[in-house]
Amino acid sequence: GNSVTQMEGPVTLSEEAFLTINCTYTATGYPSLFWYVQYPGEGLQLLLKATKADDKGSNKGFEATYRKETTSFHLEKGSVQVSDSAVYFCALSAGDSGGTSYGKLTFGQGTILTVHP
Amino acid sequence: DTAVSQTPKYLVTQMGNDKSIKCEQNLGHDTMYWYKQDSKKFLKIMFSYNNKELIINETVPNRFSPKSPDKAHLNLHINSLELGDSAVYFCASSRGLNTGELFFGEGSRLTVL
Repeated sequence: GNSVTQMEGPVTLSEEAFLTINCTYTATGYPSLFWYVQYPGEGLQLLLKATKADDKGSNKGFEATYRKETTSFHLEKGSVQVSDSAVYFCALSAGDSGGTSYGKLTFGQGTILTVHP
Repeated sequence: DTAVSQTPKYLVTQMGNDKSIKCEQNLGHDTMYWYKQDSKKFLKIMFSYNNKELIINETVPNRFSPKSPDKAHLNLHINSLELGDSAVYFCASSRGLNTGELFFGEGSRLTVL
């Protein structure tokens, strides 16, 4: 079956520090990969995505590259802000033999990020 | 105007009771979902509906019954609540079945005492 593994949290950083959150996956076929973010008290929001190998997704200074050879999709940001404090989820969507994913996302366990001033 | 809205946001109830959570989306999407987030933040799909038709039922106990009266609404009814049902339930929607770009509501936190 499909699975996503994220680095254990929580992660605590000072403002302007470099962020990496590791994510690796196992999937049948060729999944699409996503990072979602959940701010305190809110629902999840799509942060970025990549649909094929070597694609780089980017948004709000965050980026992640789809690495098929290492089955990874690590999230990075060069300089974090206090407002980036949230829970980050890596997820995949894998199609069946006909290519339909049915919108089913398989999520990692989430990584709590806290950024201090 | 909230894109995906759920009510209630908080629900505290006794074991054995029946409760419902309502969800509405104004995005014009064809597909809606219920996801469950446990106390460790782990998220798992429960159901998906496309054009009011059930597509995914992820081995959820039949105490949980989703109902989609139209494409913009997907409600979740839970019978005979158990302690283990305590979680945050998220409604979500998407343009179609073949996408991982979901729009989530703010969640409904259910506490069963």
